[in-house]
Amino acid sequence: DIVMTQSPDSLAVSLGERATISCKSSQSVLYSSNNNNYLAWYQQKPGQPPKLLIYWASTRESGVPDRFSGSGSGTDFTLTISSLQAEDVAVYYCQQYYSTPLTFGGGTKVEIK
Amino acid sequence: QVQLVESGGGLVKPGGSLRLSCAASGFTFSDYFMTWIRQAPGKGLEWVSYISSSGTTTYYADSVKGRFTISRDNGKNSLYLQMNSLRAEDTAVYYCARSAPTSCGGDCSWLSYWGQGTLVTVSS
Repeated sequence: DIVMTQSPDSLAVSLGERATISCKSSQSVLYSSNNNNYLAWYQQKPGQPPKLLIYWASTRESGVPDRFSGSGSGTDFTLTISSLQAEDVAVYYCQQYYSTPLTFGGGTKVEIK
Repeated sequence: QVQLVESGGGLVKPGGSLRLSCAASGFTFSDYFMTWIRQAPGKGLEWVSYISSSGTTTYYADSVKGRFTISRDNGKNSLYLQMNSLRAEDTAVYYCARSAPTSCGGDCSWLSYWGQGTLVTVSS
């Protein structure tokens, strides 16, 4: 199974500042034949189901604000919120879909400082 | 708009059974792979199972293999999860989620839409 490790577990960022979340996979999720990274990011607010933010590691889902961006390749990935807004308080998860079982990172809780 | 509505959760004793349902609307259900994900109270997300658009291919997490069965009825736009031999560690909110379109197959197994979830509690 591919193990997904996120860091930090939580972070507090001032409004308008940048938030950066790391996700590392235990093996590469880059498929060489199409050069795609099989990685997605989700946002989960309290009491709500997760919401897809990004897939293919860097493709923003329709309707997701452009302050959210994904980067990285192979085994190291980053989700960046360029200017944190109050509504961005949530837990963020990465997920690999390179192979079954599909696996998620443990989550990173983002709060306002 | 896409809607996924789970039902069937509740309190069950260890060793018991439950059948979860997920009613889909707002998209062509038969064109998409579907997935069950669970989240134990205060914990992270765990993939449980997924099923191809036709229902012919299924996958399970090792933690539920042999106890849970995923199925679908494309005529009724519905996804199911039959859960047998339930254990305390199966206690969680169970979400159904829309996965890849048939045209993309397993390559596109991100989860684009999620239901609100149904709580399953396994306790004596």
